[in-house]
Amino acid sequence: DQQVKQNSPSLSVQEGRISILNCDYTNSMFDYFLWYKKYPAEGPTFLISISSIKDKNEDGRFTVFLNKSAKHLSLHIVPSQPGDSAVYFCAASGNTDKLIFGTGTRLQVFP
Amino acid sequence: ETGVTQTPRHLVMGMTNKKSLKCEQHLGHNAMYWYKQSAKKPLELMFVYNFKEQTENNSVPSRFSPECPNSSHLFLHLHTLQPEDSALYLCASSDIRTSYNEQFFGPGTRLTVL
Repeated sequence: DQQVKQNSPSLSVQEGRISILNCDYTNSMFDYFLWYKKYPAEGPTFLISISSIKDKNEDGRFTVFLNKSAKHLSLHIVPSQPGDSAVYFCAASGNTDKLIFGTGTRLQVFP
Repeated sequence: ETGVTQTPRHLVMGMTNKKSLKCEQHLGHNAMYWYKQSAKKPLELMFVYNFKEQTENNSVPSRFSPECPNSSHLFLHLHTLQPEDSALYLCASSDIRTSYNEQFFGPGTRLTVL
């Protein structure tokens, strides 16, 4: 059973507009959530994270929102740029050394 | 070298071959991980080493054998693999002394088993 789900395998957004990537989780013991970005032929790179004691974390163009009651988090990218085109992975941790990853969402930002 | 490096980047092997994947981290971290990424599947955690001690073996078949000689190096020894083992193998490291688990990944080894 997949504990972290990214139900949209792909997303296409016009440059300058907002990209919203979604992630759902099932395990209520998760208390830390991360987003990773992956370009082809490279490993995932850490993007932004959020602790379960918060509901929002912002870093430049990237904002992560956490809705614990819905077990849902989202990543907002504003404004979207062509260089943001990549696969985005959501991951969750229950204060252990294990990260549970989703299947990823491929974002394409077109001019 | 900076960050996490992995060699080789690409590997093609037969089912009877023995090969090894190498990972090195230059971040002063104390935990290292092996992940497997197959097409359209989540990253699957294979092994975890904290301070050189294996703390996790996620039901990985014995044809995969990890080795962690020190906190900077991690190997994955491969023998008698199956074609379904073809995947991207990613190494990661982290500092478990920090509060949360932000892992830094290497570029991966693309493995093809014929």
